[in-house]
Amino acid sequence: KAGVTQTPRYLIKTRGQQVTLSCSPISGHRSVSWYQQTPGQGLQFLFEYFSETQRNKGNFPGRFSGRQFSNSRSEMNVSTLELGDSALYLCASTYNPGLAEGNEQFFGPGTRLTVL
Amino acid sequence: GQNIDQPTEMTATEGAIVQINCTYQTSGFNGLFWYQQHAGEAPTFLSYNVLDGLEEKGRFSSFLSRSKGYSYLLLKELQMKDSASYLCAVRDQQAGTALIFGKGTTLSVSS
Repeated sequence: KAGVTQTPRYLIKTRGQQVTLSCSPISGHRSVSWYQQTPGQGLQFLFEYFSETQRNKGNFPGRFSGRQFSNSRSEMNVSTLELGDSALYLCASTYNPGLAEGNEQFFGPGTRLTVL
Repeated sequence: GQNIDQPTEMTATEGAIVQINCTYQTSGFNGLFWYQQHAGEAPTFLSYNVLDGLEEKGRFSSFLSRSKGYSYLLLKELQMKDSASYLCAVRDQQAGTALIFGKGTTLSVSS
């Protein structure tokens, strides 16, 4: 079974630009969560999508947004990029987040975003 | 709010046993996870505890005490490949399915 895939793996942008990152979950997984990882703050939750609906949102500004498609693939968008947005953006998929069993999150390799 | 604390760094030698502690504060605890992350790679799932007690998986074990807001990850028979960051994460009922991560413990295993 293929794992979680993310594209692109690396991205360099300049301040003020916008960026779109893509995530394809494990086949059959319907929940996709996004996290930002930085050396100073560690892994921080951005948002979660389930069945094309945003279920949870972390404490990030409105410049960060996302969506999920009917095939469970998800995209996140960051507009008006700032230097502080430089980070590793990780996507994670879950088979059935509502149950005690089988609710671990499987992470993709991440997209390394550098904002200059 | 939520708060998760774990040591920043630990060192150990091959063959030894190491215990990585994690303390947490949440308003509605709904499970604790441990992940391993090698440099430049994605976190990989190690263990899940939702009830008090010890969960054993090969060389790795994880313990949970909900009344104390405390967990530990025990790594036995350490190998060089165990050098990685170990992330403690808590699921909070108020946060739904989101995982709240600690900043991770970097473990260095030497020969």
